[in-house]
This record gives sequence, structure tokens and C-alpha cells, in this order.
Amino acid sequence: AQSVTQLGSHVSVSEGALVLLRCNYSSSVPPYLFWYVQYPNQGLQLLLKYTTGATLVKGINGFEAEFKKSETSFHLTKPSAHMSDAAEYFCAVSDTGAGSYQLTFGKGTKLSVIP
Amino acid sequence: NAGVTQTPKFRVLKTGQSMTLLCAQDMNHEYMYWYRQDPGMGLRLIHYSVGEGTTAKGEVPDGYNVSRLKKQNFLLGLESAAPSQTSVYFCASSRTGTSYNEQFFGPGTRLTVL
Repeated sequence: AQSVTQLGSHVSVSEGALVLLRCNYSSSVPPYLFWYVQYPNQGLQLLLKYTTGATLVKGINGFEAEFKKSETSFHLTKPSAHMSDAAEYFCAVSDTGAGSYQLTFGKGTKLSVIP
Repeated sequence: NAGVTQTPKFRVLKTGQSMTLLCAQDMNHEYMYWYRQDPGMGLRLIHYSVGEGTTAKGEVPDGYNVSRLKKQNFLLGLESAAPSQTSVYFCASSRTGTSYNEQFFGPGTRLTVL
């Protein structure tokens, strides 16, 4: 079974500082990987996803993530944090086999941005 | 397009009461899902459906039932609510069953069981 570990349930950064949110997965076969963002009192929306091809994936709002197979990681970064980035971020994985469509979510990391 | 909508947005129940949460999507998606979100637990899959008339159990199905009588609607029922079912419930849908397709989420229903 897939599992996802997000290191740090809360991360605080200063406005303008680098954002780094960590995600590691456990799987015998590299899965498909996703980052979702949840703003307060809202549903989740997709930030970016990795399926195949280039391991550095760019998403919305200036976020990007790099798939590192050797480290089983898919960390999310943004060079310069903005106040509007304050939200909860979820990493998710999915099997790549035929008929696989369920997502397994990490427990989430709440990002606070300090002015 | 409204996307994925959920009704109601908030609800308070007493232990033992029943209720139905409605999810509707206007994107003609085949697959629909119900999740619950609890602090520090992430999202956990309750039930899902791969098409009209079909349903299947997810990770935490106990105490819930679902129905998918129409392609655009996915209902989640609680027959006898318990305080452990206090949670935020999210519905999601996806275009096909291929796993790299994005799941689109509704705004959530916040349920409190007293």
C-alpha cells in the first residue's frame, strides 16, 4: 500500500523567504505525485502534478516540485513567499497501474507567512 | 460551470439522527469520491463510485452508505450519526479512472454530531 509522509505539520516563513514543504512517499514503483492546496474554509485545488517526463514540475502561483526517485521525495518549493500563500498543503500519490485512480494523501502541512 | 457543489455547507446533528449529504458535479465526470478530513489526519476516502449505479468502499466506510443513481450526483448517508463522525466532508470527481487525472473538490460540508 502507498503511504505519504509530510515532514512538519506547521511551517512558518517570512514574507519573501524561500518556501520548502517536504513530501516523501513509500512505493516499490514510482507513483504519480500531486500537491494540493487548501485555503481556509475551502476545498482542495491542484497546485501541480508529476506523471512522467521532466522531473521538475511547475505549478500555479509560482510553486514547483522536483521528483527525486533515489530519495523517494517530491518536495514543494517557492522562491519567495507571499502572504496569500498561507494555506494548508497536501501531498498525494497514486498508483500508475491500470484501473488505479485512488489518491493517498499525506496529513498536510500548514504554511504560515509572517509579514 | 459550477464544478463540484455540496449541500449543505454546515449541519449539526444529535447522536442517532440521520442525514444525507448531496454532491453534484456538472463536468460529466465518471468518477466521484467522498472523503472526510480530520485535524492532523489528512483526507481519508470513505466511498467512491466509478460510474452511475456503482459504489465501492474506501479506507473508512463504516457508518456511511452511498448511492449514485445519477451520473452527476453522489449521495453520502449517515443512518445513525455518532460523535466520531464529526468532521469536514469533501466530495470530489475526476474525468476518468486514469490516476494522473486531477480530482476536483467541492467546498466541503462541516458536520458536528453532539
